[in-house]
Amino acid sequence: SQTIHQWPATLVQPVGSPLSLECTVEGTSNPNLYWYRQAAGRGLQLLFYSVGIGQISSEVPQNLSASRPQDRQFILSSKKLLLSDSGFYLCAWTKDSARNIQYFGAGTRLSVL
Amino acid sequence: SQQGEEDPQALSIQEGENATMNCSYKTSINNLQWYRQNSGRGLVHLILIRSNEREKHSGRLRVTLDTSKKSSSLLITASRAADTASYFCATNSGGSNYKLTFGKGTLLTVNP
Repeated sequence: SQTIHQWPATLVQPVGSPLSLECTVEGTSNPNLYWYRQAAGRGLQLLFYSVGIGQISSEVPQNLSASRPQDRQFILSSKKLLLSDSGFYLCAWTKDSARNIQYFGAGTRLSVL
Repeated sequence: SQQGEEDPQALSIQEGENATMNCSYKTSINNLQWYRQNSGRGLVHLILIRSNEREKHSGRLRVTLDTSKKSSSLLITASRAADTASYFCATNSGGSNYKLTFGKGTLLTVNP
């Protein structure tokens, strides 16, 4: 069966520090991968998605970037965090591009202080 | 901007009652999905309804879709305290669009 791992679960970082969040999927190959951010009490904002290694589509221009160095690995990064980067970050995957049912990781709670 | 807009934003009911949440969207869709999120956790897919379907059932869940009004509803029957969560609709436009567009969600509280 397929599983998705996302870490760390929580992270407290100072303003201006770098960020690296990692997501890996097991039990499948060539999934579509997604990074979302969720502000408190709000819906999901799609940040990046990838349909293959090295293929990254950015939805929201900001100081975040994403990379997909391996088929089942998706990394969210920043060189310098802003206060506004605080939030709940969720990684998701799908193997079914037609129906696009997505399976989510447990999320990373990021607090930038 | 979020295409899906759920209402109400929050709903509080007693165990055993039915809960109805609504979702409106703006563009044509291939399918519409509902997800559940327990506090501080990831989202879990509940049910999908295709654009050519009008109603779908799964256990205590009933979803309707009205493409002429661009709206959907999720009914949870005989609610339980364990149903307490946020519920989101998500629209899929299909084709080469690999994205889901999520609404802001409805926070459902089921009181024991």
